[in-house]
Amino acid sequence: QSALTQPASVSGSPGQSITISCTGTNSDIGGYNYISWYQQHPGKAPKLMISEVSNRPSGVSNRFSGSKSGNTASLTISGLQAEDEADYYCSSYASSSTWLFGGGTKLTVL
Amino acid sequence: EVQLLESGGGLVQPGGSLRLSCAASGFTFSTYAMAWVRQAPGKGLLWVSSISGDGGGTYYADSVKGRFTISRDNSKNTLYLQMNSLRAEDTAVYYCARITSFDYWGQGSLVTVSS
Repeated sequence: QSALTQPASVSGSPGQSITISCTGTNSDIGGYNYISWYQQHPGKAPKLMISEVSNRPSGVSNRFSGSKSGNTASLTISGLQAEDEADYYCSSYASSSTWLFGGGTKLTVL
Repeated sequence: EVQLLESGGGLVQPGGSLRLSCAASGFTFSTYAMAWVRQAPGKGLLWVSSISGDGGGTYYADSVKGRFTISRDNSKNTLYLQMNSLRAEDTAVYYCARITSFDYWGQGSLVTVSS
C-alpha cells in the first residue's frame, strides 16, 4: 500500500497553466478509472475537483481538467488565479477494495 | 445538501481506545460506501478504512488492520470507527468521506495520542 507519487511542489504565475502528475502502477492508476483530484486549503477539508479521471463536479471551474496515460494521471489548471494556491492530492482505487492517495503537491501562485 | 459531521475525537493515552462517529444527512446513506481518511499534522492524506453500503464488506489499511474496526448503522445514518491499541503515529485529523470519488467530506475530528 505505497502512496502514489506526486511532485512536492509546483508554481506558476497568474494566468499561466500548470500540470501536476500522479504516478502509480498497473495495480492502481493503470488498472482503474477511479482516479480523483482534491484541493485542500490550510485548515480545511479536501474538496473534490476531478472524479473518474476527467469528470468535473458541478460548481468546479472549467479551468481544472484531468487526464490519464498509462500509470500516470495529471491535473491541469489553466488561467492560474491566486485562489488556486493550495495543496492538491490525487487518489486511485487499488486492488482488493483499497484506496491510495498521493503524497500531495503544494501549488504556489507567484 | 449533503452533510457529514464527525465527532468523538480527543486526547487519549498510548494503548487506549476511542470511537469516532460520522453523522450523515442529505442523501440516502445506505446506498453509499463510506470511508475514513486521516491526515497527520503537516502530512498528506491516508486512506484508513472503508465499508460497503450494507455494511457487509469492510476494508482496512495495513497500518490499522487488527486495531481499528469500521461499522455503520443505516437506521441512524451514522458511520463509526472504533480505534483500539492507539499509537502516537495514529495522531491525525480523521475525516469521513463518501466514496467512490470521496465527493463529500466531513470537517474532520482531531485524535491526539500522547501520554
